[in-house]
Amino acid sequence: EVQLGESGGGLIQPGGSLRLSCAASGFTVASNYMSWVRQAPGKGLEWVSVIYTGGGTYYADSVKGRFTFSRDNSKNTLFLQMDSLRAEDTAVYYCARGYGGNSWGYWGQGTLVTVSS
Amino acid sequence: QSVLTQPPSASGSPGQSVTISCTGTSSDVGGYNYVSWYQQHPGKAPKLMIYEVNKRPSGVPDRFSGSKSGNTASLTVSGLQAEDEADYYCCSYAGSKFYVFGSGTKVTVL
Repeated sequence: EVQLGESGGGLIQPGGSLRLSCAASGFTVASNYMSWVRQAPGKGLEWVSVIYTGGGTYYADSVKGRFTFSRDNSKNTLFLQMDSLRAEDTAVYYCARGYGGNSWGYWGQGTLVTVSS
Repeated sequence: QSVLTQPPSASGSPGQSVTISCTGTSSDVGGYNYVSWYQQHPGKAPKLMIYEVNKRPSGVPDRFSGSKSGNTASLTVSGLQAEDEADYYCCSYAGSKFYVFGSGTKVTVL
């Protein structure tokens, strides 16, 4: 069974850093394209970043240069390093596995990041 | 990377049909057959309902169907049931390894 579990969220001051983790089971992260998607409180979904099987990473303009998506194949775990955090980064962050045709078929339960002083 | 446009709300009585639109541009919705739709109940993670415009993952009822014409994609829910009340989001591949979601539509079953 495919399972994804995010962790690492919490309260952080503006300008601070946080690293989110997404532990995967039931499949190999290195063999799938994976994404981070976030949702601000009461708002819609926003695509954040993607990592492809070859390791290439791409980012939404809103986080480019501040966030870094990586994976540890030995631990079957994904990471999102978030630096220079802003209030507008406050959201629930979901990791998701690609399904078919550039869609996201498996989602974790999400982890809440709150950026506030 | 602009958000795809969806109506804020839609509604229908049990057994009726409701259609949600998702309007983008020739750079996203109109340029690729990579439109997907997600259902999200309050406090829950999104669930994939449609991918590649009109394909259903296993386990998704055939009451859910998708289509596309030009820069606008649509999701139709036929035979509305109480459990279909949720938020729905479209998503499109936008080229150059970017993705864009829609603004979301709250579906109410009257």
